[in-house]
Amino acid sequence: NAGVTQTPKFRILKIGQSMTLQCTQDMNHNYMYWYRQDPGMGLKLIYYSVGAGITDKGEVPNGYNVSRSTTEDFPLRLELAAPSQTSVYFCASTYGGQGMALHFGNGTRLTVT
Amino acid sequence: KQEVTQIPAALSVPEGENLVLNCSFTDSAIYNLQWFRQDPGKGLTSLLLIQSSQREQTSGRLNASLDKSSGRSTLYIAASQPGDSATYLCAVHNAGNMLTFGGGTRLMVKP
Repeated sequence: NAGVTQTPKFRILKIGQSMTLQCTQDMNHNYMYWYRQDPGMGLKLIYYSVGAGITDKGEVPNGYNVSRSTTEDFPLRLELAAPSQTSVYFCASTYGGQGMALHFGNGTRLTVT
Repeated sequence: KQEVTQIPAALSVPEGENLVLNCSFTDSAIYNLQWFRQDPGKGLTSLLLIQSSQREQTSGRLNASLDKSSGRSTLYIAASQPGDSATYLCAVHNAGNMLTFGGGTRLMVKP
């Protein structure tokens, strides 16, 4: 029972570098989400997907890209890292969009210097 | 735009106390409300999910209530223990498959 798995756990990037945050779930969930959490703040939605091949912007999508080629995987791409993207990133999934509990990964702590 | 507020931002209580955490939201057109627990350096663990048609949910020492018309939810923790120390977040599920999170309440239960 792996649930939602995120890699890496930690990463330090230099300004302008790019990277992909990986997220995979083994629960056959249709809906997947990417959130960022800044210190002392709640979570803000970056992107979400309601199924393979379908993605939509959330509240704070600028500077990020996603893809959903399979049900299991939902990677988040940072193309030109900026200090404002220093945050903890959480991936989450649920079977149905409404009325179903959300399952979270343990997060990726990203620092951009 | 939905806004979710949690009060207080931090709370420190002695072990054994009963306590109430508050969550308020501005748009009552929600599908459900969920309470999460977050331990330092960890992800979020779902505690209770209340559908919009329900008034409360219970799990062990936890009881969550929902008053949709007034835009409020409370999480009641009975007989608090040091192991309950964590950050508690509420999130409301609106149309468009989005959850809006509050800023959380950081709880410390002292032995």
